[in-house]
Amino acid sequence: GAVVSQHPSWVICKSGTSVKIECRSLDFQATTMFWYRQFPKQSLMLMATSNEGSKATYEQGVEKDKFLINHASLTLSTLTVTSAHPEDSSFYICSGGRGRPGELFFGEGSRLTVL
Amino acid sequence: DAKTTQPPSMDCAEGRAANLPCNHSTISGNEYVYWYRQIHSQGPQYIIHGLKNNETNEMASLIITEDRKSSTLILPHATLRDTAVYYCIVKRNTGNQFYFGTGTSLTVIP
Repeated sequence: GAVVSQHPSWVICKSGTSVKIECRSLDFQATTMFWYRQFPKQSLMLMATSNEGSKATYEQGVEKDKFLINHASLTLSTLTVTSAHPEDSSFYICSGGRGRPGELFFGEGSRLTVL
Repeated sequence: DAKTTQPPSMDCAEGRAANLPCNHSTISGNEYVYWYRQIHSQGPQYIIHGLKNNETNEMASLIITEDRKSSTLILPHATLRDTAVYYCIVKRNTGNQFYFGTGTSLTVIP
């Protein structure tokens, strides 16, 4: 299957700082990528759809100014958690597809801990 | 997209078939049934999907009832590495926004 890589795998930061998570499609081009958040023992929650060359589309209840998404190229989308607080501590996962509906490839996830 | 109902947890003996059910009684004609799984602390992995015919690949088989109101994912010979949360998702075959439910936590027992 296609490969999606995230970096960093885990990050610890102080409250009030911003953290950037990268999501790369290594062997395919992704015009659309998706960002999810997962709290412990809960399911994945879709946060936003990242569109190459245009603004991201956020799900209801997700603060776009808090979670900045940039999709500057067909192989890279970034999620920046701005002014992070302990409640933002979570497992963030990205995904992308090769254009075939329904077949998504997920990254390994990035675990954020805000102290 | 149609709502799905899955049992919260199941056990299966290693080497035996794991049969994971999913109810989707409100599924509409143009919605597909997708299965993904998530091994602990990893991103989800695509398993299989289908519309109305049964499907099989190297990972699993998908059996969809004739009325399409339920389906079963079958792992023919479960191994310890199959321990994961399995998600059944029903959606149209357009776009790739997947909304995950609570899934079934499958534990394969030695």
